[in-house]
Amino acid sequence: DARVTQTPRHKVTEMGQEVTMRCQPILGHNTVFWYRQTMMQGLELLAYFRNRAPLDDSGMPKDRFSAEMPDATLATLKIQPSEPRDSAVYFCASGLVLGTEANYGYTFGSGTRLTVV
Amino acid sequence: AQSVTQLGSHVSVSEGALVLLRCNYSSSVPPYLFWYVQYPNQGLQLLLKYTSAATLVKGINGFEAEFKKSETSFHLTKPSAHMSDAAEYFCAVTETVASGKLIFGQGTELSVKP
Repeated sequence: DARVTQTPRHKVTEMGQEVTMRCQPILGHNTVFWYRQTMMQGLELLAYFRNRAPLDDSGMPKDRFSAEMPDATLATLKIQPSEPRDSAVYFCASGLVLGTEANYGYTFGSGTRLTVV
Repeated sequence: AQSVTQLGSHVSVSEGALVLLRCNYSSSVPPYLFWYVQYPNQGLQLLLKYTSAATLVKGINGFEAEFKKSETSFHLTKPSAHMSDAAEYFCAVTETVASGKLIFGQGTELSVKP
């Protein structure tokens, strides 16, 4: 089965350090999401892309977070500088969305568990 | 804006009993709807999706959901619970059909008692 690959699976870093999380979406998918999951807030949408263009990043703290898709096979989420409150599981998901014609659902990666100490 | 409400953050059933997890969405315009399952320390796995075809949708692991426009609901059911069904279940809706932006409910944790 095709899968969304996220790296690293686990990351422990010190406050103030830069963190980069990577996601390889499924080949042929045109939509990529970044979500953050915490016990308190549940699943929060941080950003999403269609055909590599950012469509919505309103859920992302702009001063420290950035999300990009340098090419169709790679999406990145960067935190600089990191803070303890950023500790969470970060999920990437990809899917094929053809406007109003079709939506084939979304496949999630296994997540990156980030701990900022 | 579109939103999703899952009634009950925790549901407990006995093994072999009916599973019913409730989900209501807010928009009067039928969106696309999804149920995902998350096992401990894992990602989300798609159980089933409604994309304007049949209103009764069958998914994996014996689950199904019925889209009811008049009730703006998309409840998840399984006739007979199994111990392996214990997990967190998330209902999700697209903000609009065109955008594909996925909005999640808060999740329902399902426990299955022997």
